[in-house]
Amino acid sequence: NAGVIQTPRHKVTGKGQEATLWCEPISGHSAVFWYRQTIVQGLEFLTYFRNQAPIDDSGMPKERFSAQMPNQSHSTLKIQSTQPQDSAVYLCASSIGVWNEQYFGPGTRLTVL
Amino acid sequence: AQSVTQPDARVTVSEGASLQLRCKYSYFGTPYLFWYVQYPRQGLQLLLKYYPGDPVVQGVNGFEAEFSKSNSSFHLRKASVHWSDWAVYFCAVSIGTGNYKYVFGAGTRLKVIA
Repeated sequence: NAGVIQTPRHKVTGKGQEATLWCEPISGHSAVFWYRQTIVQGLEFLTYFRNQAPIDDSGMPKERFSAQMPNQSHSTLKIQSTQPQDSAVYLCASSIGVWNEQYFGPGTRLTVL
Repeated sequence: AQSVTQPDARVTVSEGASLQLRCKYSYFGTPYLFWYVQYPRQGLQLLLKYYPGDPVVQGVNGFEAEFSKSNSSFHLRKASVHWSDWAVYFCAVSIGTGNYKYVFGAGTRLKVIA
């Protein structure tokens, strides 16, 4: 079991560029969550999927952030027109069922210059 | 809305000493509670979880936590701290019904000294 895989581990973008972050959940897990971690705000929920369907995106900034889960083996978080305030560690987690504990990937550190 | 408070941003303990990290939650129902540990430049690793049942739960590496509904608390304990426990610890709550996202506390940074 490789755990939750996130790629890339580090990404540097210029202001206004697009960033796409990838997450491969643990095989057999039906729920996928995205969180953002910053020094100032701590760990914040962004969105989650259950059986590939979007369930709750209440934490997503509405205008530039989007997430998809096209199949059970990966999810993407896309940030358009990145801004310096988007700089953070983006964490993906999966759980075998929504009732169960979440297992986190190592995160993608996004730096927007 | 539910919330989690970890009142101690930093805790320093001597190796071999006992440890308690505090967590207070705010939620009107019975929550699902979790403790995670984060080592530098790594993701979160699950230490232990509480689902309604026995209030004392055992976790990995000698950690345990006790749920108290009357005090709205879920404190983490360890009898004897090892230098490898030097990390950041997060308490999290999940409603567990209808929406399973976590709400995290701000974290407690544990430093272990010789």
